[in-house]
Amino acid sequence: DVKVTQSSRYLVKRTGEKVFLECVQDMDHENMFWYRQDPGLGLRLIYFSYDVKMKEKGDIPEGYSVSREKKERFSLILESASTNQTSMYLCASSSQAGGRTYEQYFGPGTRLTVT
Amino acid sequence: GQSLEQPSEVTAVEGAIVQINCTYQTSGFYGLSWYQQHDGGAPTFLSYNALDGLEETGRFSSFLSRSDSYGYLLLQELQMKDSASYFCAVGRGSTLGRLYFGRGTQLTVWP
Repeated sequence: DVKVTQSSRYLVKRTGEKVFLECVQDMDHENMFWYRQDPGLGLRLIYFSYDVKMKEKGDIPEGYSVSREKKERFSLILESASTNQTSMYLCASSSQAGGRTYEQYFGPGTRLTVT
Repeated sequence: GQSLEQPSEVTAVEGAIVQINCTYQTSGFYGLSWYQQHDGGAPTFLSYNALDGLEETGRFSSFLSRSDSYGYLLLQELQMKDSASYFCAVGRGSTLGRLYFGRGTQLTVWP
């Protein structure tokens, strides 16, 4: 079974703090993704990565950065947290093999509150 | 750009059949995926259609018509545990692996 884990289920940070969200997958997937989910807005892509050290901006990259130093690990960084970044953050991964590339596996999510 | 439209809410009773529609507008369309998400849970993959037609997986089926830019998820023999949000998502050939999600349909199944 594919397993995607995220470092925290709940996180509370103060405005201006630097925040690190970690994601690890154990299925040797090439693709990894960071989404945020807010009520009524669905899943919005922040950043994604096709390979180690590769990153691509999604739809809402402002205020975020990412790091992928190892294939299994994809980190999301909030350089200076703001209250409008309070949200549920979801990590996902997928294989690049054939027809499986659109089959994404999600972690449990991190609910981040910025006060 | 791209856009996806799906109903925000659908209700049905146990044992019934429900269809959740998804229409999309996108360039370089590659395929349509469906995901289920229970309250407090993570999205889980249900199906992926790259070709026109119906794909069946147990009680769930997914349909795609590329010419109509339309697809649907069909849930049969509804159970209470099917109450969840359902998201359609499109894949584009230009960015393999990336999905563009709709805003989701909240399905409530009543006893």
